[in-house]
Amino acid sequence: GAGVSQSPSNKVTEKGKDVELRCDPISGHTALYWYRQSLGQGLEFLIYFQGNSAPDKSGLPSDRFSAERTGGSVSTLTIQRTQQEDSAVYLCASSPPTSGSGEQYFGPGTRLTVT
Amino acid sequence: LAKTTQPISMDSYEGQEVNITCSHNNIATNDYITWYQQFPSQGPRFIIQGYKTKVTNEVASLFIPADRKSSTLSLPRVSLSDTAVYYCLVGDHQAGTALIFGKGTTLSVSS
Repeated sequence: GAGVSQSPSNKVTEKGKDVELRCDPISGHTALYWYRQSLGQGLEFLIYFQGNSAPDKSGLPSDRFSAERTGGSVSTLTIQRTQQEDSAVYLCASSPPTSGSGEQYFGPGTRLTVT
Repeated sequence: LAKTTQPISMDSYEGQEVNITCSHNNIATNDYITWYQQFPSQGPRFIIQGYKTKVTNEVASLFIPADRKSSTLSLPRVSLSDTAVYYCLVGDHQAGTALIFGKGTTLSVSS
């Protein structure tokens, strides 16, 4: 079946612009996670959704970052007034309702470059 | 969250068995041990998860001693395509718990 998909695959934007990153989780997966990975670094947790609600937003680095999820499916991560330090690969993952969070299925990521 | 320690890098040759050990001295009773694999320019991929003793699937085996303070991911007969970063994660992994990835172990397989 289809895996997690993300769009765009690459995004180059100018400093100060807003960007929207999209994640389509695997159908039926109720949990959705956003992470980011800077070059040569491990993954940094950003936010978690269970259905449409976000019980854990603790990883969002600043109030420029926000995310929403609609219909228990698609999620959008928005970064306002982008800064160069926002450049990273943004990864989305989902997990099925029958498992804990240990088994997450990741998308290919969106590579964001802020110039 | 239990802290994990794993080697920064490992080298191997095609056809060999590779064992990557992860230390997690502060593992809690409810914690599971999970391993992920990540290729360049891709998201991590779940490999295997276990709680105690031995778990085996079509990709790898996971050995966990009785004290659970360490675990060993075993990759049988590696090939060039197994060159990747391997992450050991420990946590109760209840729904909603974020996965905490460290730096992982970079495995390089040569011919």
